[in-house]
Amino acid sequence: EAGVTQFPSHSVIEKGQTVTLRCDPISGHDNLYWYRRVMGKEIKFLLHFVKESKQDESGMPNNRFLAERTGGTYSTLKVQPAELEDSGVYFCASSQGRRVTYNEQFFGPGTRLTVL
Amino acid sequence: QQPVQSPQAVILREGEDAVINCSSSKALYSVHWYRQKHGEAPVFLMILLKGGEQKGHEKISASFNEKKQQSSLYLTASQLSYSGTYFCGTERNAGGTSYGKLTFGQGTILTVHP
Repeated sequence: EAGVTQFPSHSVIEKGQTVTLRCDPISGHDNLYWYRRVMGKEIKFLLHFVKESKQDESGMPNNRFLAERTGGTYSTLKVQPAELEDSGVYFCASSQGRRVTYNEQFFGPGTRLTVL
Repeated sequence: QQPVQSPQAVILREGEDAVINCSSSKALYSVHWYRQKHGEAPVFLMILLKGGEQKGHEKISASFNEKKQQSSLYLTASQLSYSGTYFCGTERNAGGTSYGKLTFGQGTILTVHP
């Protein structure tokens, strides 16, 4: 079974540009989460999709960040325009339906975003 | 609120044991433990639920003290492959809109030497 995949693995952009990160969850997983780790700090929650709906977006830093999950499958996270403080590693995780397996989350390898 | 992990770093020789702690000031529903190696995805190790249920790795054990809102991860007879950064993630709500939302500690760096 394929794990969670993320694309690209690295992205280097200039301040003010736009970047779109993609996450493909494990097939059949309804829950999809986005997290971010800024260098030296903890992994922080950004948002949670259940199928195509946003369940909780309380961690989104500001309106420069836009997440979508088309048809309840893959998800994209767009940053527009990017700022220096957006640099970090963006992780995606997925899990099965509510309380099926203790909500075990499977993480992708992350996208390392560098904003210059 | 972010849980606090201790220690921040541990250095071991192969075969030695270690304990990593994760404490929260808030009531928790579950604690999740992950290990991350540099440049790789965090890998699930263990979930501990309020009420005593747990699910996880064969060779790794953990505990969850509900009164203290503290979890401990026990790594026994460490192997070189145990090296990495260990994160605890806490979940506060059993239901509602925030289920599955994990709040992570700052990580504990474990290094195992031959």
